[in-house]
This record gives sequence, C-alpha cells and structure tokens, in this order.
Amino acid sequence: EAQVTQNPRYLITVTGKKLTVTCSQNMNHEYMSWYRQDPGLGLRQIYYSMNVEVTDKGDVPEGYKVSRKEKRNFPLILESPSPNQTSLYFCASRPGAGASYNEQFFGPGTRLTVL
Amino acid sequence: QQQVKQSPQSLIVQKGGISIINCAYENTAFDYFPWYQQFPGKGPALLIAIRPDVSEKKEGRFTISFNKSAKQFSLHIMDSQPGDSATYFCAASIGGSSNTGKLIFGQGTTLQVKP
Repeated sequence: EAQVTQNPRYLITVTGKKLTVTCSQNMNHEYMSWYRQDPGLGLRQIYYSMNVEVTDKGDVPEGYKVSRKEKRNFPLILESPSPNQTSLYFCASRPGAGASYNEQFFGPGTRLTVL
Repeated sequence: QQQVKQSPQSLIVQKGGISIINCAYENTAFDYFPWYQQFPGKGPALLIAIRPDVSEKKEGRFTISFNKSAKQFSLHIMDSQPGDSATYFCAASIGGSSNTGKLIFGQGTTLQVKP
C-alpha cells in the first residue's frame, strides 16, 4: 500500500530533551515536507526537501532540523524542544517538485507535547 | 501576501443541506488551489483541486467555485452527509519553474453534518 508513515504517533517529552520524529514514504517520491498544525492557524510548513541532500526552510523552521540522506526518509529533529513546539506534526510527500499540480500525500500525524 | 483566509471556522449543516466554505487569497502568483479533507486522527487528504484557468470544477457532490478577479474560491458540498463531517482546509501554491511545492493553508473549517 502506498503510504507515508510517521513514528511515533504520540510523544510526551520534557523541555530540552532531544527527539526525532521519523517519516518514511514508499512511493519513490522526490519531494518531502514537514508541517505543523495548530488550532486556528491551519498547517504551516517547517522544512521541505526537493531531493536527497537538498533541504530548505519553510515558514516556521526555528527550533527544527531535518536531513534527507535517503529518498524515502525525512526525519524531523528537535534538538532542544520547548513548550511552544507542542503541536500536531505531519509529514507529506509528492512525486516531484517540478510538476506543478501534483497531489501531496500526508502521513497520519504525530502529536507532540513538550512539558 | 502569502496568507489564505478561510471562513467560517465551524459549520453545522443538516443532512441533505449544502455546506459552503470560503477562502480568499492575496498573492496573484498562486496557480493551484486544492481542498483537503481531514478526519480526526488522520492526515489531510486531497479532496478536489482547481487551477485558475477555470471557474468551476465538480467531482460528485463536491464543487469548487473560483473567482479570479475577486481572488476568492469556495467549496460547495451538495446533499451533505454525516460522513462528510470533518475538517476542511483550503490551500494555495505556486507552480511553474519556481515551484517549491509549498502549500499555504487556510485556517480550517470544522464541518458537522447532523442526521
């Protein structure tokens, strides 16, 4: 089944404790992205990657890091989480950045609480 | 200029009625306007999308109306069903050679269809 998977689905942590949220897609998509969803704000892009070893900042990148060492994986790293990073996080992928209107496929989400 | 404004924030409709959600944008470079549907505990999934060269697109009970001069677009759900109860997000992006694949999302509308 074609899908985007994220782990963990739920995470409660404390301020300053480094964490990684994994994202993997099995559709051989070039483009991957991370969003955070907050009430009243919709989804906002954190980082995106147009291909392996190519990443760039989205609209809200502060406090986050990403890497794209393999095509299928795009982990999100919070090196020193803070309470304002408590949110619902989604990973998404699409076939290629060059195609203008390709659908983005979203993972099931990771609900993160930082105490 | 990058914002997409969505209204209403919440909507309650009787079964069989018409649900209407509106979005407005400022950036005239946007050229792809999708609507995503999100059920609780799931990631957003593409419902229907439109390009600005057409004024309307219909897929089953779902219709996008697009007004380029007013920079507005809306989602109409005809014969609304309880199974349509979900959160709906409008979005916009820029295609072409500068395509980064980033979706700019509206704030979201929570739709409840009463039996």
